[in-house]
Amino acid sequence: GIQVEQSPPDLILQEGANSTLRCNFSDSVNNLQWFHQNPWGQLINLFYIPSGTKQNGRLSATTVATERYSLLYISSSQTTDSGVYFCAVTPRGGADGLTFGKGTHLIIQP
Amino acid sequence: DGGITQSPKYLFRKEGQNVTLSCEQNLNHDAMYWYRQDPGQGLRLIYYSQIVNDFQKGDIAEGYSVSREKKESFPLTVTSAQKNPTAFYLCASSITRFVTEAFFGQGTRLTVV
Repeated sequence: GIQVEQSPPDLILQEGANSTLRCNFSDSVNNLQWFHQNPWGQLINLFYIPSGTKQNGRLSATTVATERYSLLYISSSQTTDSGVYFCAVTPRGGADGLTFGKGTHLIIQP
Repeated sequence: DGGITQSPKYLFRKEGQNVTLSCEQNLNHDAMYWYRQDPGQGLRLIYYSQIVNDFQKGDIAEGYSVSREKKESFPLTVTSAQKNPTAFYLCASSITRFVTEAFFGQGTRLTVV
């Protein structure tokens, strides 16, 4: 099946710093989503972005489908940005449901 | 408020017992999904349903069962055949299997004691 790799696995930054999280996938996709998992375990939808670029406040994402990667940018980090960020995809023509990467654990220190 | 409701939030089960996790959505979505998350890992697909009275196995269906008798409800039963049931379980839904943006419930944390 499709493989999803996220990097880096862990990231520790000071408040105010910018960060870039990467997601590589091994095949064409119909769907790519970025999620933030908060300390209580809830998955919060950040972006639905199978291709192109989107922005939402301090967060933006870019997916280059032809090169099979996506980037999540966080600017001016705040402590509330801490948590695990997941990339998940649905392969084109493949099975239903999302295949998840293992996530990037982000810690923002005050 | 529209959304996906999972209950209970925490669940304890004795070894050898079956237990059922509830998932209800009022988003009028056709497709629903169950995922399992182990510590430090991503989510893995257990079962999914594209429409009422239909469901399919995901990547790790062994030891689990589901039903889809109503559009808004997709309960998951963790049976005694599941060797390592302690995990965090998340339910999701999407408009259809083709409109695949997924939205998640708050999860149920199951512990076998």
